[in-house]
Amino acid sequence: GENVEQHPSTLSVQEGDSAVIKCTYSDSASNYFPWYKQELGKRPQLIIDIRSNVGEKKDQRIAVTLNKTAKHFSLHITETQPEDSAVYFCAASKKDTGRRALTFGSGTRLQVQP
Amino acid sequence: DVKVTQSSRYLVKRTGEKVFLECVQDMDHENMFWYRQDPGLGLRLIYFSYDVKMKEKGDIPEGYSVSREKKERFSLILESASTNQTSMYLCAGGTGSFGTEAFFGQGTRLTVV
Repeated sequence: GENVEQHPSTLSVQEGDSAVIKCTYSDSASNYFPWYKQELGKRPQLIIDIRSNVGEKKDQRIAVTLNKTAKHFSLHITETQPEDSAVYFCAASKKDTGRRALTFGSGTRLQVQP
Repeated sequence: DVKVTQSSRYLVKRTGEKVFLECVQDMDHENMFWYRQDPGLGLRLIYFSYDVKMKEKGDIPEGYSVSREKKERFSLILESASTNQTSMYLCAGGTGSFGTEAFFGQGTRLTVV
C-alpha cells in the first residue's frame, strides 16, 4: 500500500519568514496530493491540493510543488504569520475503486514566533 | 456549510466494554471514513465505506468494526475496548469523485481505562 513520509516533525520560524514542509510517497500510481491544516483543538481542513498533471500550484501565501519522478511534494508558506501556527498534514491518494481514501503523513507542527 | 458531526467529543470507557462512535454527515456524500490520530503517527485509516452497507478495511482495522445502514451515518465499533485504543478518532466524509476534499468531524477523544 501507499506510505507517506513527512518532514520535519516540528518547525519553528520567525514571523515573516518562509516555511517549507516536505513529503515523499511510495506508490507511483498516486496522483492526488492535498494538504490539511489542523489548528489546536480543531478538525483538519483542506488548505491546498495538487494533481499529478500539475507541477506547482499557488494560493496567495501558500504554494505546493510536485516532483513525480522523485515522488516528492512540498508545501511552501511565505510571509508567515502567527495564525499559520498549526499542525500540517500531507496526504496522497490514487484513482482506484478499491481504495478511495487518503493516506496521511505523520504531521508537522509549525510554530510562528511573533 | 457542510457538516460532519460526531456524537461525542470526549468518552471514557472501561477495558472490555463495547464502544460505539457515531458519525453523521449532511452532505449526501457517498464516501465516509474513520481515522485514528495519535501524536507522531498522523492520521491512520481504520475503515471506510463508499456506499450504504459497504465497508472496506483500512490500514489498522484490527479490533474495530463499522456499520453503515444509512448513507448519512457511519458508526465505528470497538468490540472489546483495550487501553491501546485510547486515541483521538476522526470521522470524515467525501464525494465519490476522485480527488475531492474530505470533510472532517470535530473528533472524539476516547480514553479506555
